[in-house]
Amino acid sequence: DTAVSQTPKYLVTQMGNDKSIKCEQNLGHDTMYWYKQDSKKFLKIMFSYNNKELIINETVPNRFSPKSPDKAHLNLHINSLELGDSAVYFCASSPPPGELFFGEGSRLTVL
Amino acid sequence: AQSVAQPEDQVNVAEGNPLTVKCTYSVSGNPYLFWYVQYPNRGLQFLLKYITGDNLVKGSYGFEAEFNKSQTSFHLKKPSALVSDSALYFCAVRVPEGAGSYQLTFGKGTKLSVIP
Repeated sequence: DTAVSQTPKYLVTQMGNDKSIKCEQNLGHDTMYWYKQDSKKFLKIMFSYNNKELIINETVPNRFSPKSPDKAHLNLHINSLELGDSAVYFCASSPPPGELFFGEGSRLTVL
Repeated sequence: AQSVAQPEDQVNVAEGNPLTVKCTYSVSGNPYLFWYVQYPNRGLQFLLKYITGDNLVKGSYGFEAEFNKSQTSFHLKKPSALVSDSALYFCAVRVPEGAGSYQLTFGKGTKLSVIP
């Protein structure tokens, strides 16, 4: 069983569209995250949720909206996609304050 | 604010030689330190961590790292490099309390190339 799974693995879409990435973890962790990895491989936190409560919301455009329906899920919805949103988005979970367990990533390409 | 520096964009080492990937950190308070590896088109895999205790920590695939508080460093090492170790390596830090405990702050990564 995959510990942290995210879907889809690849998204190719046009500017202005709306898209969602889903994430599920079966590790029983309270904390989940979204990270963005840009073309230079730099990893930056976007959001952190603890027990469905938003803890960290970095300087991310409000076109990005995370939703945590329960402790095991943290989805990312992106409105009005822009070229600069092209990146790999990683979901992760962790026990406090241990290591993060990452999904395989979702590569978003905006044309 | 917490931060991590990986001063080398790339490290090249011959197969069989020892390797070192450098990392320094800056935090307020005690750090929790981590190393991850990323292979092409894959997610990040956890290698090892320092939370407390012995300054030398051992991890997966024969890697180890030494926590040095006075130098605020946490360098990754391996006695004998393998070609299969070639990948992107990330150092990361978090703190045990406060808002910073809810995120891992990553360095910019170091590309390791092991030459046959």
